[in-house]
Amino acid sequence: TQLLEQSPQFLSIQEGENLTVYCNSSSVFSSLQWYRQEPGEGPVLLVTVVTGGEVKKLKRLTFQFGDARKDSSLHITAAQPGDTGLYLCAGARYSGAGSYQLTFGKGTKLSVIP
Amino acid sequence: GAGVSQSPSNKVTEKGKDVELRCDPISGHTALYWYRQRLGQGLEFLIYFQGNSAPDKSGLPSDRFSAERTGESVSTLTIQRTQQEDSAVYLCASSLVGRSNYEQYFGPGTRLTVT
Repeated sequence: TQLLEQSPQFLSIQEGENLTVYCNSSSVFSSLQWYRQEPGEGPVLLVTVVTGGEVKKLKRLTFQFGDARKDSSLHITAAQPGDTGLYLCAGARYSGAGSYQLTFGKGTKLSVIP
Repeated sequence: GAGVSQSPSNKVTEKGKDVELRCDPISGHTALYWYRQRLGQGLEFLIYFQGNSAPDKSGLPSDRFSAERTGESVSTLTIQRTQQEDSAVYLCASSLVGRSNYEQYFGPGTRLTVT
């Protein structure tokens, strides 16, 4: 059973279109992070959301954390070819002894066609 | 360098051989993690080191997998008697523990191919 479900798995859109990627869980997280990974590289952190209902904007990217801290969405406005990549969400939960564990979703592979 | 580095970047090995993967975390980061990423999949947690505490090995898939870390620096992930299903990208990350937002910084990964 996947703790964090991401949808859609694959998304191919034309440059200039808008899109939304979802990250859902039945578990509550202390924080949720979004990463972008390009081929041959490790994931790079885009944003961390901590408070239920929190909205963060990063240029054309808008991230929202659900009120119950179980889900999140990433909205991209006017997508550019440079947005192409694998988008991963990761939820952090306290696992005891001062340790937090990140659980990753399987990712959404986005292709933006010029 | 300022980021997490991993070596080798690529490793091809024969089934049954042992391999050792290396990770150099960001200086000052007390926490270090290893993940496995199979083709088209998300990241699978393997092991977590935090300072001098006992490592969290709950994600290691079998006793063929082990990892060590020297103090708060270099870590090595060892896979013994490799199998074809071990083929994957192995990613290392480090973070400053104690921050509530728990940001991890990843290396570029080691692509392991077992033939």
